[in-house]
Amino acid sequence: GAGVSQSPSNKVTEKGKDVELRCDPISGHTALYWYRQSLGQGLEFLIYFQGNSAPDKSGLPSDRFSAERTGGSVSTLTIQRTQQEDSAVYLCASSQGGGGHSYEQYFGPGTRLTVT
Amino acid sequence: GESVGLHLPTLSVQEGDNSIINCAYSNSASDYFIWYKQESGKGPQFIIDIRSNMDKRQGQRVTVLLNKTVKHLSLQIAATQPGDSAVYFCAENTGFQKLVFGTGTRLLVSP
Repeated sequence: GAGVSQSPSNKVTEKGKDVELRCDPISGHTALYWYRQSLGQGLEFLIYFQGNSAPDKSGLPSDRFSAERTGGSVSTLTIQRTQQEDSAVYLCASSQGGGGHSYEQYFGPGTRLTVT
Repeated sequence: GESVGLHLPTLSVQEGDNSIINCAYSNSASDYFIWYKQESGKGPQFIIDIRSNMDKRQGQRVTVLLNKTVKHLSLQIAATQPGDSAVYFCAENTGFQKLVFGTGTRLLVSP
């Protein structure tokens, strides 16, 4: 079946502009995650949605970052007034969630963001 | 704070050799661990997982070992192939379905 998809695959923007990154999770997955990966680094947790619960925003680096998930499916990560240090690959993942033993997260291909 | 780290940032092996990638974790309450493989330009891909009530789990050419006494996790790849070249991440579930990822180990396989 279809995996996690993200768009755009690449985004180049000027410093100070706002950007929106989109994630389409696997159908039926209730949990959705956003991560940031800088060049040659590991994954930095940003935000986590689980069903209708309030999202866990503990990883968002500043108030310029926000995310929403509409209808329990598609999610959008928004970065306002982008800075050069925001340049990274933004990865989205989804999992079955539900508090059971379905911890495996399925990742999308990522969006490479370059802020010039 | 919680952390997952790796001992070797880069591992170079010859094709056909066995590879061992190591990982240390700090949260003794973590109940679930995953190894991911990430090829260039792609998102991480699940390889194998293990729960804290197990010491060993085998997959196809891969084995994960968990030593809870010293909080150590390893990934063994048998008969390493050029297609195994990638960055490997370990991750631990620290609760509430949040995974903490290590910084990764790059595996380079020479023909």
